[in-house]
Parts: sequence; structure tokens; C-alpha cells
Amino acid sequence: QLQLQESGPGLVKPSETLSLTCTVSGGSISSSSYYWGWIRQPPGKGLEWIGSIYYSGSTYYNPSLKSRVTISVDTSKNQFSLKLSSVTAADTAVYYCARQVKYSSKLDYWGQGTLVTVSS
Amino acid sequence: EIVLTQSPGTLSLSPGERATLSCRASQSVSSSYLAWYQQKPGQAPRLLIYGASSRATGIPDRFSGSGSGTDFTLTISRLEPEDFAVYYCQQYGSSRELTFGGGTKVEIK
Repeated sequence: QLQLQESGPGLVKPSETLSLTCTVSGGSISSSSYYWGWIRQPPGKGLEWIGSIYYSGSTYYNPSLKSRVTISVDTSKNQFSLKLSSVTAADTAVYYCARQVKYSSKLDYWGQGTLVTVSS
Repeated sequence: EIVLTQSPGTLSLSPGERATLSCRASQSVSSSYLAWYQQKPGQAPRLLIYGASSRATGIPDRFSGSGSGTDFTLTISRLEPEDFAVYYCQQYGSSRELTFGGGTKVEIK
């Protein structure tokens, strides 16, 4: 059974960089059939796609966040990571990692999510 | 960028009733790329429907999806207590971006 687990600091100061890692177990991140994505959800609000990465390193970002986002992959560790720079309180959210079936809208496996609060 | 608008914002129904949720796109969306998710408090979203009308693995047949072009619908034929949740539609665009609708909350009347 595929599992995804987010990890990283739960508190980040304004103007700093948010860094999270998603560890994939029960399957290979190097599969040619999937992208690996990050989605966030501010408290009490809806879902926002941040971006996705293919095992080769190709990335696709939400245009509204593109200037601040970097997603990378480490196939040797079966992990992919998110960096979001210059954070503000508006970046406070639960951050989810998920598996996306390639060329599809299907996000079929999700991590449990991790709350990141931006505050001094 | 395609915008997805879900209506109503909140649907108040009783168990056993039928729920009809709407998702309208600002531009035509390929049916192949329209999905629906269910989210309960404190949980990650769960894939319900993909390709506008195909149920994901393990999803009961009381959930059905339909629609094409700019208008899509999620129907729950008879609400069970565990179906009260927030539902999101989502599309996959030509630039490989994903977009979510704002969500519809189905609450117990």
C-alpha cells in the first residue's frame, strides 16, 4: 500500500523559506506513470495546487506561486521536497503531498498533511 | 487559467436524501480531466470520481458524476451519515496545472 508522509518545521518566520519533504513508501517515486505534487489548504479554506514534479525533475508550478516555489526530487531517497520563499502569514496552511496519475487530474494517494504556521 | 465555480456553497440535507452538487468551468474542460474529491474534517481529501464519471477504487455506487464542457455534476443518490463532508471539483489543464473549485459543504439538516 502506497503511503506518503510530509515532514518539516511547523513554524516558519515571515520572510523566511518554508521547507517540506514528502517521503514515499510502498512504491517507487521513479515510476514513469506518476507526477508527485504539493497542495495546500489555509485554515477553513479550500484547496490550492502548488506544483508537481516528475521523477526526471520536470516541474510544473501554479503561476500565482511560481516565483517563490521550488520543487525537487531525490529518487535515491524516494522523496520529493517543497521550498517556498519569502513567506507571509498568508502562507499559513496545511500542506499535503500527493501522487498524481500522469496526464490526469487523478490525485489518488495523499499524505495526512502537515500544518505550517508563519509567525514571528 | 480555468476557474471552477461550485454551487451551492452549502447544502443542507437529511440522511437518505439525494444530493446534487454543481461545478461550472469558465472555459470548456475535457471530461477526461475533471475529478471530484471528498474531504472530512482533519483528513486529507479522497478521490471519488475521475474522468467526470468514473468512480475511484472502493467508492460506493451511490456516488456518480456526469457532465461535459463547462457543466459538471456530482450526485449522491441517498446520503449516508458518513457522506456529510466538503466536496471539491478539480481539473487538469493544458499547461499541466491543477485547479480546484471552492468546495460545497454537505451538512446535516
